[in-house]
Amino acid sequence: EVQLVESGGGLVQPGGSLRLSCAASGFTFSSYSMSWVRQAPGKGLEWVAYIKQDGSENYYVDSVKGRFTISRDNAKNSLYLQMNSLRAEDTAVYFCARYRQLDYWGQGTLVTVSS
Amino acid sequence: DVVMTQSPLSLPVTLGQPASISCRSSQSLVHSDGNSYLNWFQQRPGQSPRRLIYKVSNRDSGVPDRFSGSGSGTDFTLKISRVEAEDVGVYYCMQSTHWPNTFGQGTKLEIK
Repeated sequence: EVQLVESGGGLVQPGGSLRLSCAASGFTFSSYSMSWVRQAPGKGLEWVAYIKQDGSENYYVDSVKGRFTISRDNAKNSLYLQMNSLRAEDTAVYFCARYRQLDYWGQGTLVTVSS
Repeated sequence: DVVMTQSPLSLPVTLGQPASISCRSSQSLVHSDGNSYLNWFQQRPGQSPRRLIYKVSNRDSGVPDRFSGSGSGTDFTLKISRVEAEDVGVYYCMQSTHWPNTFGQGTKLEIK
């Protein structure tokens, strides 16, 4: 069974940093691209970032370019999102999802950016 | 970026009746490989999203056959043949033909 479990969310001040993790199991992690998607409270879904299977290609939504970095460790079956220079508008539940077409999703981790 | 526009945004439906959600894209979703990467997701209250349909009309494993997707080019539709109570939630279309992936605003389905 495919499982994706996010962690690392929490309360952070504006301008601060946070690193999210996503632990994958139930499939060959190194064979799949991965994505991060976020959902602000009471709002819709926004795709955030993508990484190819071997980490050789990344894509980001414009609003996070230069601030967020997606990475992966295939030996640890883990996906990461390093978030720097956080803003109030980054407050959201962050989901990791498999593949560009998002066929499986985790349960999400809440990031709150507030002073 | 490709803008995805869903309608309606609110959809009250009587149990057992059909429902239909429209999704229009600001440009064609036909990829250079010939596929159209239009996906549909369901998000039940308090849950993570779940993919229902991929590449316009392909149902994911475990998705009831009352859900169907259709369309081409810039115009797509998700249909539920007979709405059940468990179908309550928000439905999103998403294109993954062009970078960045973009979602529609979401359609909230409720039981009348």
